Amino acid sequence: GQSLEQPSEVTAVEGAIVQINCTYQTSGFYGLSWYQQHDGGAPTFLSYNALDGLEETGRFSSFLSRSDSYGYLLLQELQMKDSASYFCAAVTGGGNKLTFGTGTQLKVEL
Amino acid sequence: DTEVTQTPKHLVMGMTNKKSLKCEQHMGHRAMYWYKQKAKKPPELMFVYSYEKLSINESVPSRFSPECPNSSLLNLHLHALQPEDSALYLCASSQDRPPTSGRRNEQYFGPGTRLTVT
Repeated sequence: GQSLEQPSEVTAVEGAIVQINCTYQTSGFYGLSWYQQHDGGAPTFLSYNALDGLEETGRFSSFLSRSDSYGYLLLQELQMKDSASYFCAAVTGGGNKLTFGTGTQLKVEL
Repeated sequence: DTEVTQTPKHLVMGMTNKKSLKCEQHMGHRAMYWYKQKAKKPPELMFVYSYEKLSINESVPSRFSPECPNSSLLNLHLHALQPEDSALYLCASSQDRPPTSGRRNEQYFGPGTRLTVT
């Protein structure tokens, strides 16, 4: 089966940097996506890595190592509005199938 | 317009009822999805439509019946549900790009329908 593991909860202070890890065991893997979901809201896309290495999008960066079956999301200059759940998601099955990780609840404190 | 709309926002139904969830997008996306999400859990894929044809069914019970009337609309017909089917049902859409392109193929999610089965 497919499995993606993340830490369940991370707490950090405003202005800090936080890293959310994702380790995966999947078949037919094409790449790793990251989504953010605020309480009561819809998941929104943050980043995608098809190749090994770092992708940077503003305050967010994402990293993938296929050989280690590992990725992470890096959030810099944390803001209170970043408090949310973050999911990694493996892209498989022809590119249209997303299998979500267990999710990480990020709490940003003053 | 990068919006996916879903109706209704909330739905309460009995185990003998028949109801439908509706989803609409006008981004020209040719892939559409239904997910189920329980509280504090990740979304779980239920169905994928590609070019209006069902391409993935994740072994979903037959009491859930998807329908894609056209490229902009996606329905989920519900019949004889169980209390454990109570959840947030999310619809999403995306381009239908081949994964070998290496290009991102982000899914745009609607706000969901909060379903309660009594």
